[in-house]
Amino acid sequence: NAGVTQTPKFQVLKTGQSMTLQCAQDMNHEYMSWYRQDPGMGLRLIHYSVGAGITDQGEVPNGYNVSRSTTEDFPLRLLSAAPSQTSVYFCATTLVGEQFFGPGTRLTVL
Amino acid sequence: GNSVTQMEGPVTLSEEAFLTINCTYTATGYPSLFWYVQYPGEGLQLLLKATKADDKGSNKGFEATYRKETTSFHLEKGSVQVSDSAVYFCALSEGGYSTLTFGKGTMLLVSP
Repeated sequence: NAGVTQTPKFQVLKTGQSMTLQCAQDMNHEYMSWYRQDPGMGLRLIHYSVGAGITDQGEVPNGYNVSRSTTEDFPLRLLSAAPSQTSVYFCATTLVGEQFFGPGTRLTVL
Repeated sequence: GNSVTQMEGPVTLSEEAFLTINCTYTATGYPSLFWYVQYPGEGLQLLLKATKADDKGSNKGFEATYRKETTSFHLEKGSVQVSDSAVYFCALSEGGYSTLTFGKGTMLLVSP
């Protein structure tokens, strides 16, 4: 089992560009989340999904969109990248309170 | 709302020293408590957990006891190794499928 996978590992964007961060899992977990990690801020929840077709906002949703058409995939879209979105992004699944994290995507917005 | 507060780092220790990283929490219900570890360049991994008061979680020589009376879940290890150098996150969850609330993380640096 691959667990939670994320692509790409690294990405550099220019301000105003759009992109999609991919997240996939093979554990058949219903609950998935996206976090961003910034120095001194810990992890902050962006969006989450309790199952296919259902998504909701977390603590810092502005500038990000998500969709959940299948159990396996939970992509995160940046519509118009801003320097404030420079961060490391983690996708995670949850089962009985325990979270399983992907390896992360390091995004830089110039 | 829920919150987790953990001591600021970095915590710098010599190999074989005793480690304590403090964690306190605020929650409306009866949460489960977790410690996650993040090694450089990697995602977070579950280190240990406790689901009810007085439970002790343990793994790889690390321990933490769920103290409801002091709302604390301090992480301890009797003898740290260089390979323990990482960032440690305390977290809580209020239900089986709820999201986790994380502390800001504490960096541990262990020197030979």
